[in-house]
Amino acid sequence: GQQVQQSPSSLVLQEGENAELQCNFSSTATQLQWFYQSPGGSLVSLLSNPSGTKHTGRLTSTTVTKERRSSLHISSSQTTDSGTYLCAPPPNYNVLYFGSGTKLTVEP
Amino acid sequence: EAAVTQSPRSKVAVTGGKVTLSCHQTNNHDYMYWYRQDTGHGLRLIHYSYVADSTEKGDIPDGYKASRPSQENFSLILELASLSQTAVYFCASSDETGQDTQYFGPGTRLLVL
Repeated sequence: GQQVQQSPSSLVLQEGENAELQCNFSSTATQLQWFYQSPGGSLVSLLSNPSGTKHTGRLTSTTVTKERRSSLHISSSQTTDSGTYLCAPPPNYNVLYFGSGTKLTVEP
Repeated sequence: EAAVTQSPRSKVAVTGGKVTLSCHQTNNHDYMYWYRQDTGHGLRLIHYSYVADSTEKGDIPDGYKASRPSQENFSLILELASLSQTAVYFCASSDETGQDTQYFGPGTRLLVL
């Protein structure tokens, strides 16, 4: 199956700083999704970005499919951004393989 | 907004016992999934289904069975629970094309003693 590596494994920022999260994967992905997992455990989708650059709010994702990597940029971080960010680049449309995530802590 | 519910939300089971985790979605999605998450790790796919009365194996199906009696319901069954199956289990659903995102339930925390 798909191998997914996320870095860094953890990141501590001061409120207002920017965050850059990386995701590298072993097989060509037809779709790449970024998820946020709250400290309480709930999972929500942030965005899907199979290639190129996509923006939503303070989030920017850049995926370079041929290099099998994606990044998630969070601008002007807030304490409510704290949690774990998971990337999931599936080798086919409906089977997601998740990375271990980047745990982000934003301090006030 | 897609709605996926799971029951129970937490459970304590004994080794060798049978455990059934249930998932219900109200968005008319064709695809449903069961994942497990171990502390400090990402999610791993156990079973999934794209139509009622049919299930498919994911990455780690050993020790688990799945049942999809209807489009709305998807169950995960541990016939003989083991200590190594202690984890948080998430159910998810997505539309038929798979281009849309997956919507996750709140998770079930299972502790096997």
